[in-house]
Amino acid sequence: AQSVTQLGSHVSVSEGALVLLRCNYSSSVPPYLFWYVQYPNQGLQLLLKYTSAATLVKGINGFEAEFKKSETSFHLTKPSAHMSDAAEYFCAVRKTSYDKVIFGPGTSLSVIP
Amino acid sequence: GAVVSQHPSWVICKSGTSVKIECRSLDFQATTMFWYRQFPKQSLMLMATSNEGSKATYEQGVEKDKFLINHASLTLSTLTVTSAHPEDSSFYICSPRGVAGLQETQYFGPGTRLLVL
Repeated sequence: AQSVTQLGSHVSVSEGALVLLRCNYSSSVPPYLFWYVQYPNQGLQLLLKYTSAATLVKGINGFEAEFKKSETSFHLTKPSAHMSDAAEYFCAVRKTSYDKVIFGPGTSLSVIP
Repeated sequence: GAVVSQHPSWVICKSGTSVKIECRSLDFQATTMFWYRQFPKQSLMLMATSNEGSKATYEQGVEKDKFLINHASLTLSTLTVTSAHPEDSSFYICSPRGVAGLQETQYFGPGTRLLVL
């Protein structure tokens, strides 16, 4: 069964510092991978998705993620954190385009001024 | 992108009452609907999957008689929480999947926050 792990339930970075949120997946085949952001008391917003095209995926708000099959990872990065990036981030996996989306436990990002 | 709406956005009800949550996909046809539940400070957990015109398939541990799902049309699905109890208080999110333009894709609704007193 496919699953997603996110190392670090809470990450704090200084404003302007690099953001690195970790995601590892387990799947028998290269899956579809997603990063979603959820602001307090709001729904989900898709940041980016990997669908077996380029391994480096660029998303919205300056975020990007790199698919590394050898490490079964899909870590999310942003070169310079902004206060508005403070939110909950979920990595998610889907085995095929017709399968269900399974979410990781989430990482809460705090940005320190 | 496609717009997904949920109504109501939040609801407070007394224990023992039933609550219906509507999910509408406004500009694409949702052939499949996923319903998720999110407890405070937790991740989204899939409750059930339904295909238009068919009975829903529930995940293990989710009571099908308590969480009634109707997906009668390609643009509307409803989740009814029957005889709600305080432990059902949660954030319920629908996620329609279908074809938008030429691409099969999936969206997430804004969520409905349920508080059972």
